[in-house]
Amino acid sequence: RKEVEQDPGPFNVPEGATVAFNCTYSNSASQSFFWYRQDCRKEPKLLMSVYSSGNEDGRFTAQLNRASQYISLLIRDSKLSDSATYLCVVNHSGGGADGLTFGKGTHLIIQP
Amino acid sequence: DTEVTQTPKHLVMGMTNKKSLKCEQHMGHRAMYWYKQKAKKPPELMFVYSYEKLSINESVPSRFSPECPNSSLLNLHLHALQPEDSALYLCASSQSQGSNQPQHFGDGTRLSIL
Repeated sequence: RKEVEQDPGPFNVPEGATVAFNCTYSNSASQSFFWYRQDCRKEPKLLMSVYSSGNEDGRFTAQLNRASQYISLLIRDSKLSDSATYLCVVNHSGGGADGLTFGKGTHLIIQP
Repeated sequence: DTEVTQTPKHLVMGMTNKKSLKCEQHMGHRAMYWYKQKAKKPPELMFVYSYEKLSINESVPSRFSPECPNSSLLNLHLHALQPEDSALYLCASSQSQGSNQPQHFGDGTRLSIL
């Protein structure tokens, strides 16, 4: 079974701190990579796609290392509203309308 | 606010009932998906529709029957469900068949089977 693995946490982090999450995937043929966030009893929401060159969106930076099959998410200057579960998501397919494989998520708690 | 709309938001049904979950998107997406999510677990893929045709069925029991009447709508017909089918059912859509396309989720239907 194809797998996406994450540290489940919880990560308890003071407001304003920088926090990093890691994720590994087992299928070297994986094509695309995403970070989603999910609040309690809500749907997953796309946070950002992850590109090979690395990409940044405000306080969020995502990195992909295909050789190591490793994805990371860095959150700078964390806010209380960043508290959520962060899901590492991989599409293993080389084509076709396939679904996504989700990691089990990392639970982040930002403390005031 | 989500651009994928699911109804109803909550559903309680007995094991002998027949009900349907509905999903609608008007983003022009041609791929639509059903996922099941249990508490404290990640979403699990059930079905994929591509251009209104069933593309993937992840060995889902026949008591779940998907239907795609048109490119904007996706239904999930439920019949003779079991208590273990209680979960959050999420619909998602993406622009095309391409694997680099992110999926956008509806806010789900929370289903309870008595």
